[in-house]
Amino acid sequence: GENVEQHPSTLSVQEGDSAVIKCTYSDSASNYFPWYKQELGKRPQLIIDIRSNVGEKKDQRIAVTLNKTAKHFSLHITETQPEDSAVYFCAAQKTDKLIFGTGTRLQVFP
Amino acid sequence: KAGVTQTPRYLIKTRGQQVTLSCSPISGHRSVSWYQQTPGQGLQFLFEYFSETQRNKGNFPGRFSGRQFSNSRSEMNVSTLELGDSALYLCASRPDSTSTYEQYFGPGTRLTVT
Repeated sequence: GENVEQHPSTLSVQEGDSAVIKCTYSDSASNYFPWYKQELGKRPQLIIDIRSNVGEKKDQRIAVTLNKTAKHFSLHITETQPEDSAVYFCAAQKTDKLIFGTGTRLQVFP
Repeated sequence: KAGVTQTPRYLIKTRGQQVTLSCSPISGHRSVSWYQQTPGQGLQFLFEYFSETQRNKGNFPGRFSGRQFSNSRSEMNVSTLELGDSALYLCASRPDSTSTYEQYFGPGTRLTVT
């Protein structure tokens, strides 16, 4: 069945450093890969997404890369700030079903 | 446009009871998905409704059910509540255009079963 593995489960970085979160999906037919950020007590919000016909996408300090052959995709946050502290979820979608990873708790220390 | 809304925001029930949660999608969105979020299990997909029909279903027991109305509002019902059903229940809506997949989440309903 469909499965999305996400690593690491927790990540602590110093302000200004980079953070990388990696996900692996099982279904090669997946074609859409969003990343959500969930701050404490709030709803998940989309921060960036990528479709299977693109290998990389960047939005200011955030970038996502996709390796379809290896079925890997990663979130890269550069110049991290304390407000980046949150839980990040990756997801993979095939047709209409969106499968989420288990989340990464990112802590950015000032 | 107003965002996705969910009611109630908080709910306390006892074991064996049943509960109904409501979700109003963004105007024009026809697809509504439901998720259960617990600290240990992340976001677990429950089901998705589109045009009043259940289109996808996750791996949850039959105690979890849902429906969608003609105005795209959706409800989910949990019968015979168990302690393990305590969780944040999130719904998400999207237009269901083939070129748009982004889901917008509601604030969630926090259900506590005692």
